[in-house]
Amino acid sequence: KQEVTQIPAALSVPEGENLVLNCSFTDSAIYNLQWFRQDPGKGLTSLLLIQSSQREQTSGRLNASLDKSSGRSTLYIAASQPGDSATYLCAVVPGGSNYKLTFGKGTLLTVNP
Amino acid sequence: DADVTQTPRNRITKTGKRIMLECSQTKGHDRMYWYRQDPGLGLRLIYYSFDVKDINKGEISDGYSVSRQAQAKFSLSLESAIPNQTALYFCATSDFWAGELFFGEGSRLTVL
Repeated sequence: KQEVTQIPAALSVPEGENLVLNCSFTDSAIYNLQWFRQDPGKGLTSLLLIQSSQREQTSGRLNASLDKSSGRSTLYIAASQPGDSATYLCAVVPGGSNYKLTFGKGTLLTVNP
Repeated sequence: DADVTQTPRNRITKTGKRIMLECSQTKGHDRMYWYRQDPGLGLRLIYYSFDVKDINKGEISDGYSVSRQAQAKFSLSLESAIPNQTALYFCATSDFWAGELFFGEGSRLTVL
């Protein structure tokens, strides 16, 4: 059974800092990996999707990398801003199917002005 | 307008009542999903549907049922609500090839 772990569970940083959020998964046979952002009481917003054949994806100040062999993904946020404060979740879809995402429990990020 | 719309956004009900949560999407995706989110437990899949005639149970389907009325509409029912079904419920959609999920804003259900 695929398990997804996100470390740390919570992170507080000063504005302007570059930071890395970590996601690890137990089964390297994945179809894709997706990073989401969730604001309190809100839905999940898709940030980046990495297909299994890709090593990284970039969108603005965000960069996500994928290392299937080690079962890891990182989300890099450059020049963090208070508006980046949210919970960040990663989710993986197992290989052989592309529907049953397994979610991590998220990292709660607080960026202090 | 949101691509994935859920109604109602908030609902308070009593034990034993029947509740329906509705989801509609304008993304043209075939695949639709219902998830439940609880503090400390994360997101768990309740049901998913690949098309109107293909509906499948997820990991926590007991106490729930679904109906796929059209490609764009997928509803979740609680036949007889109980307090431990108090949670935030999300509908999501995806296409077949990319597998990227798009979520609605959520329906917060409280069962007293």
